[in-house]
Amino acid sequence: DAGITQSPRHKVTETGTPVTLRCHQTENHRYMYWYRQDPGHGLRLIHYSYGVKDTDKGEVSDGYSVSRSKTEDFLLTLESATSSQTSVYFCAISGLGQGDGYTFGSGTRLTVV
Amino acid sequence: RKEVEQDPGPFNVPEGATVAFNCTYSNSASQSFFWYRQDCRKEPKLLMSVYSSGNEDGRFTAQLNRASQYISLLIRDSKLSDSATYLCVDQAGTALIFGKGTTLSVSS
Repeated sequence: DAGITQSPRHKVTETGTPVTLRCHQTENHRYMYWYRQDPGHGLRLIHYSYGVKDTDKGEVSDGYSVSRSKTEDFLLTLESATSSQTSVYFCAISGLGQGDGYTFGSGTRLTVV
Repeated sequence: RKEVEQDPGPFNVPEGATVAFNCTYSNSASQSFFWYRQDCRKEPKLLMSVYSSGNEDGRFTAQLNRASQYISLLIRDSKLSDSATYLCVDQAGTALIFGKGTTLSVSS
């Protein structure tokens, strides 16, 4: 399997606090993605990156920012966490080919109380 | 807005049964499609790509109908271990668009 790890695996935080989730890959893939998964909504794209310092917004980007200063790391920051951001967050990486699909990390379960 | 629609199920079938899932996609320009499998509280994992000519991988067959904009997954001889949620996916440009998934439960 592709080397992709997410940290932390679980986090409980209070409303209004900043939170940063980390995605680390060892595959040197160009593309990295952050998704959130919620019951009744499926997986929705938050932000993605197509290279170092190159990022773009997805479908549900409000309240989130990202950074990619190195190929291997893609950070997702909740500037001021809200209860609506309680979710499971998945990072994914993809190869260059159109038919490659994605490889996902194990996910981060975030609870905002 | 690009969308992928799936019947959420659940599909409850006995071992050995054949079961089929369909999904529809809205973006007529989409070129690549996939089926992912997701076990409870785990990450999605690529099951198979979907090609225009149809493709088979063991007990699994995927087909694409571009004219009707739907994708199907057929599972033959269902096993208990096939119990999972199956996600239909459209690669619309750079990002993947996921359906909400169809839940399969195989019982003995």
